[in-house]
Amino acid sequence: ETGVTQTPRHLVMGMTNKKSLKCEQHLGHNAMYWYKQSAKKPLELMFVYNFKEQTENNSVPSRFSPECPNSSHLFLHLHTLQPEDSALYLCASSHAGGNTEAFFGQGTRLTVV
Amino acid sequence: AQKITQTQPGMFVQEKEAVTLDCTYDTSDPSYGLFWYKQPSSGEMIFLIYQGSYDQQNATEGRYSLNFQKARKSANLVISASQLGDSAMYFCAIGRAGTALIFGKGTTLSVSS
Repeated sequence: ETGVTQTPRHLVMGMTNKKSLKCEQHLGHNAMYWYKQSAKKPLELMFVYNFKEQTENNSVPSRFSPECPNSSHLFLHLHTLQPEDSALYLCASSHAGGNTEAFFGQGTRLTVV
Repeated sequence: AQKITQTQPGMFVQEKEAVTLDCTYDTSDPSYGLFWYKQPSSGEMIFLIYQGSYDQQNATEGRYSLNFQKARKSANLVISASQLGDSAMYFCAIGRAGTALIFGKGTTLSVSS
């Protein structure tokens, strides 16, 4: 399998639930990213990992907790979310160093009820 | 800080016609890259074309070309001979070494027969 794979594709969760989004890449990249895409808004960068180390956190609320156990896997742990957190969550990967195209997964469509 | 501006919320074009999607950017970095992505209704972000800030020639990839005007800080995407399958959301993005891509708000392209 090649490319960037995200699971699940769709997720509905209550505000008291705990869930995790998973992202896996088989492209040999060593940088991975989480983006949030809300309706009628540009993609918002959430977290950046380079060589498994978090290098950027764009003031994301603590109810979103990322984890990068190795260069191929990235998780986003969710707990006590709000309805306004409903969005498409996109994972991407690229070669570290920036200024290079990022490859995206198909996203997880999250609905918080 | 880097910023991308896409001023066209929606564009309409007939099949086989050419269309230009506008993108202007702002950055203080001397070295950067400009990217265009396509997002169909399925949600996946598909990389289309890249232009480096030091590239002398405009980038081309099949039916896609990037009209790069550095002095004006613009990086417009030109799609020649539009096809029905080109109907999607198009995002312009800017990147520099060491960080993730920053995206504009996007332009919705509708191609009709």
